[in-house]
Amino acid sequence: GAVVSQHPSWVICKSGTSVKIECRSLDFQATTMFWYRQFPKQSLMLMATSNEGSKATYEQGVEKDKFLINHASLTLSTLTVTSAHPEDSSFYICSALGLGNNEQFFGPGTRLTVL
Amino acid sequence: EDQVTQSPEALRLQEGESSSLNCSYTVSGLRGLFWYRQDPGKGPEFLFTLYSAGEEKEKERLKATLTKKESFLHITAPKPEDSATYLCAVSAGNMLTFGGGTRLMVKP
Repeated sequence: GAVVSQHPSWVICKSGTSVKIECRSLDFQATTMFWYRQFPKQSLMLMATSNEGSKATYEQGVEKDKFLINHASLTLSTLTVTSAHPEDSSFYICSALGLGNNEQFFGPGTRLTVL
Repeated sequence: EDQVTQSPEALRLQEGESSSLNCSYTVSGLRGLFWYRQDPGKGPEFLFTLYSAGEEKEKERLKATLTKKESFLHITAPKPEDSATYLCAVSAGNMLTFGGGTRLMVKP
């Protein structure tokens, strides 16, 4: 089956620093990847849609200058949380859309804790 | 605007006690309805995709059905390892709109 990986699995950082999270599709190419945020006991909230070779599309209320997304290849998208603050602490999950279908395959998530 | 509502929010079952989870949706031009399982601290695990009313899919103790307004995830004779949050999502394009999820707890 389609496998999506994320790195790191968890990260703890100081307030004001930047953190980069990688999302990779391991056995398929993904022209489109998605980034979600999930707070405890809540469902997934879409942050942005990442398209290979073009600018990401951000959902309403998501600051594009704070959450930088780069989709440089068909197997890699990165999310950089800039100048992180404690309220950015959350579970960040990516998904990848397989070529030719509308099924999304999710990564294992990254737990970000900002002190 | 696409909307997805799942019920109940939480469900406690005894091992072997069958039940159903509900997912009600409104969407313009449904391209697919998806069920995922999510364990704590992990990403969603794909279970089923349903495309049209009347469609049914099964996997082990799980069976998903779809009508024009809702989908059900039937769990037959659940085991403790079925405990997880079950997420329903709809797609009208490439994007998914998720429901709030149902937290299922199966006690031995």
